[in-house]
Order: sequence, then structure tokens, then C-alpha cells
Amino acid sequence: AQKITQTQPGMFVQEKEAVTLDCTYDTSDPSYGLFWYKQPSSGEMIFLIYQGSYDQQNATEGRYSLNFQKARKSANLVISASQLGDSAMYFCAMREGQSVSGSRLTFGEGTQLTVNP
Amino acid sequence: KAGVTQTPRYLIKTRGQQVTLSCSPISGHRSVSWYQQTPGQGLQFLFEYFSETQRNKGNFPGRFSGRQFSNSRSEMNVSTLELGDSALYLCASREDQTGSGYTFGSGTRLTVV
Repeated sequence: AQKITQTQPGMFVQEKEAVTLDCTYDTSDPSYGLFWYKQPSSGEMIFLIYQGSYDQQNATEGRYSLNFQKARKSANLVISASQLGDSAMYFCAMREGQSVSGSRLTFGEGTQLTVNP
Repeated sequence: KAGVTQTPRYLIKTRGQQVTLSCSPISGHRSVSWYQQTPGQGLQFLFEYFSETQRNKGNFPGRFSGRQFSNSRSEMNVSTLELGDSALYLCASREDQTGSGYTFGSGTRLTVV
């Protein structure tokens, strides 16, 4: 079963507008972390924002905010005031547990965001 | 602080050959993990190393192996290359096994011909 689901293969937004990228996840582990990464065409994965499962408040980092709805198991990324440089692939990822035996990130399939001038 | 450094950036190999990729983590980071990214399979976890020990392994054949040195630098090796091994290989470092901050390198783009 898919652990991370991103249902929007592609999204378009006008410059200066806000956009929401959807992410739902599936886990039975009470301790987990959710991440959003941006991957431009150069290939590097750029960390945007993190939300821990026990965090009471939604995470925010500059123009990025994470709309965390635990009961619905969703962790949508909101980008405010879109810029042309925001055009890239965006990945939602989850880390389950904090085991000292190691952990891994599970990624969604990604959403290609295009910002139009 | 220097970021995660992966070398080489690009590599072209012939089917049947072997290849070694290198990853230098952020200074002070002791955990290094590797991911393979392909158009068909997306991003998949290969393995994670901490203090020179493999802590976690993904579902890849034994042709994929890795190691970590005492300075936390890591290498991954793929033997008997297949066309399907063509991918972007990404390395991520974090401070320790429980840190939430995974920082990725720019990746090594491997093409097998």
C-alpha cells in the first residue's frame, strides 16, 4: 500500500498567488515525521519544511507552511506569494519511528509545480 | 558550513561494469543514507549508515552495497551494472540517528549503456 500519496502530478499557479500541494500518508506508528522537499531540474533535493507527529502547531518556514491534519492523515504544503523560481518538482516524504536501528524516508511520487508570469 | 558533497556528478558506464559513488556528509553529521531516483520507480531507499555500520537496508539486490568510513564519508558500489541501474543517486546526511534534518546532496547521475 502507498504510504505517501500525492494526487496532483502537475499544478499551475500564477505568480504572486498562493498554491496548495496535497499529501496524504498512511502509518500506524505514533511517532513519525513529515517532510517537504523541492527538486529543481538540477536534481538537488532542497529541504523546505518539517512537521513532527507530536507537534501541536503547524510548521511554517517563510513562504512555506504545512497544513497538518492528523486525523485525516494529510500534510499539505502551502506556498504563499508564488515566485517564478518556485517552479520545480515537490516531494512529500515521511520518516516513521525514531528507532536506533535506523530509519528511512518514504517519498511520494511528486507534484510538478509551474509558476506562470 | 559545507553541504553534502557527492562525486562524481555525472557518470557513464557500460553494462556489466561496476561503479563506486562517493558522499561526504556535512561536518559533524554521522548518519548517511542513499536513495535511488528513477522515472519509473521514483525515490527509493537504498541503505543508511551510522558510525560505520549499516543500520537499515532497502529492497535492492546484493549488487548494491555500501560502506562508511571513520570520517563519516560514505561510498556505495554497484557491481555488474544493468541498464535499469541508470538513475540519479542521492545521498542524505543527518546529525545522528534520531535527527529530523535530512540534508541531501546534488546527486550523481549514472547512465548505463
